[in-house]
Amino acid sequence: EAQVTQNPRYLITVTGKKLTVTCSQNMNHEYMSWYRQDPGLGLRQIYYSMNVEVTDKGDVPEGYKVSRKEKRNFPLILESPSPNQTSLYFCASSLSILAGDYNTGELFFGEGSRLTVL
Amino acid sequence: DAKTTQPNSMESNEEEPVHLPCNHSTISGTDYIHWYRQLPSQGPEYVIHGLTSNVNNRMASLAIAEDRKSSTLILHRATLRDAAVYYCILRDNNNNDMRFGAGTRLTVKP
Repeated sequence: EAQVTQNPRYLITVTGKKLTVTCSQNMNHEYMSWYRQDPGLGLRQIYYSMNVEVTDKGDVPEGYKVSRKEKRNFPLILESPSPNQTSLYFCASSLSILAGDYNTGELFFGEGSRLTVL
Repeated sequence: DAKTTQPNSMESNEEEPVHLPCNHSTISGTDYIHWYRQLPSQGPEYVIHGLTSNVNNRMASLAIAEDRKSSTLILHRATLRDAAVYYCILRDNNNNDMRFGAGTRLTVKP
């Protein structure tokens, strides 16, 4: 089954304790992205990656890191989490536009990871 | 980056058509217009997309203005299951990037 898998789905942690949210897709997608969702603010992009070893900042990258060493994985790293990073996080993937006309550009989303930083 | 503007919320009655507007006055010639929706407690899901011509699929229709500065997502007969937040997004054709805004929260009344 084609899917985007995020782990953990729920996490409560304390300020300053490094954590990683993993994201894996099994669709051989080039493009992957991380979003955070907060009440009244919709989805805001944190980082995205066009392909392996290519990452770029989104609208709200401060306090986050990412890596793209393999095509299928795009982990989100919080080196020193703070309470303002309490949020619902979504990972998404899609084919690259370079894949051709059959590419709808459809983003496939994971189920979300709810993170609470105390 | 091109931005979109949508109403914060809209209401509809069940089994009536719904027209969800989106303004994107700074759209560039190669930007695709995408619509996604997010049902409660779920991640967003793809609805429809288009470039210049109107588009239809099993979920909805997309009407694109001739100057491409606005578009409308049309749900032909709203059901209670269509209650969701609807996002209008422009896909940058140069780098495949898609950025979401706050969307429109659609409430469907029985």
